[in-house]
Amino acid sequence: AQSVTQLGSHVSVSEGALVLLRCNYSSSVPPYLFWYVQYPNQGLQLLLKYTSAATLVKGINGFEAEFKKSETSFHLTKPSAHMSDAAEYFCAVRPTGANSKLTFGKGITLSVRP
Amino acid sequence: DVKVTQSSRYLVKRTGEKVFLECVQDMDHENMFWYRQDPGLGLRLIYFSYDVKMKEKGDIPEGYSVSREKKERFSLILESASTNQTSMYLCASSFRAGVHSGVETQYFGPGTRLLVL
Repeated sequence: AQSVTQLGSHVSVSEGALVLLRCNYSSSVPPYLFWYVQYPNQGLQLLLKYTSAATLVKGINGFEAEFKKSETSFHLTKPSAHMSDAAEYFCAVRPTGANSKLTFGKGITLSVRP
Repeated sequence: DVKVTQSSRYLVKRTGEKVFLECVQDMDHENMFWYRQDPGLGLRLIYFSYDVKMKEKGDIPEGYSVSREKKERFSLILESASTNQTSMYLCASSFRAGVHSGVETQYFGPGTRLLVL
């Protein structure tokens, strides 16, 4: 079964600092990978997704993620954190193929210090 | 813009009550999903539907049922609510994209925070 691991539950960075949120997946075949963000009191919205077209994926709000097959990773980065980035971030994995289910990680809360 | 709406943002129910959570999407999506979100556990799939009157169990279906009588509406039913069903419930929808199935984005509603006393 597919699974995704997000290490840690909380990351705190200073405004303007690099944001790095880690995600590792387990799968024998490279799956589709997603990062979603949940702002306080809202549902989830898609940040970016990996669909095998390119290993470096750019998303909204200046975020990007790089698919590394050798490390089974899909870490999310942003060069310079903004206060508005404070939210919960979820990595998710879906096997290739029709009607496959999306499996979410436990989520990481990002705090941004002034 | 895709819009997924959920009938209530907050709900308080008593143990043993029958609870209905409604979800409506306005983008003619074939796929609809119900998740529950709990701190430290992320999102877990309860049920999903790929078409009208069709349903499939997710990872944690026990204690829940669903109904999809119309394409735009997907209801989650707690037949007899229990305190361990206190949670945030999120509905989502997506296209069924044919040969690209698997890459389609899921669009989420704002969630219903349910408290069972």
